[in-house]
Amino acid sequence: GENVEQHPSTLSVQEGDSAVIKCTYSDSASNYFPWYKQELGKRPQLIIDIRSNVGEKKDQRIAVTLNKTAKHFSLHITETQPEDSAVYFCAAANMKGTGNQFYFGTGTSLTVIP
Amino acid sequence: DTGVSQNPRHKITKRGQNVTFRCDPISEHNRLYWYRQTLGQGPEFLTYFQNEAQLEKSRLLSDRFSAERPKGSFSTLEIQRTEQGDSAMYLCASSFTLGNSPLHFGNGTRLTVT
Repeated sequence: GENVEQHPSTLSVQEGDSAVIKCTYSDSASNYFPWYKQELGKRPQLIIDIRSNVGEKKDQRIAVTLNKTAKHFSLHITETQPEDSAVYFCAAANMKGTGNQFYFGTGTSLTVIP
Repeated sequence: DTGVSQNPRHKITKRGQNVTFRCDPISEHNRLYWYRQTLGQGPEFLTYFQNEAQLEKSRLLSDRFSAERPKGSFSTLEIQRTEQGDSAMYLCASSFTLGNSPLHFGNGTRLTVT
């Protein structure tokens, strides 16, 4: 099965700085890569996703890059704000066929220091 | 609120007792997933339904766990003879079948086995 690794496990940045979280995956059949943000005691919520036919996607201060050859993808948050503090999870899924399991990384706890 | 709904939010039970959780997915979604999340970890796949058919079940899932989705709408997850190691957050998620559809999570049921 798929194995998703995520680094770092914790990240502290000053407000206004950028934050980068990196994930690697093992199954070359994975073709969909969502990122979720989970605030304490709340549900994981989708913040951005990328398909395997795209190398980069941006949504305001958030961007995701994908390198299919190297099997890694990254989340970039620019101009960080205190409300960005949360746990971020990457995931990988093969959306073809009937499997469609989502495999999650172990999470990155981001703290934005005001 | 038309999101994914889970009940109960919290469940405290004694070891050896059976527990049952309920998940009501977003009404248009025909895929339903159960995940388990422990502190500091990402969601771990348990099982997945497409309509009423249970298409996949994690090899990590013991025989004490069973899930149903009898009419292709709500789902139940039952844990028999609970053990302390079952203590975790149980998350339900739903999605569309077509295309690269992300998971939409519920708020989860937090199980504590004493």
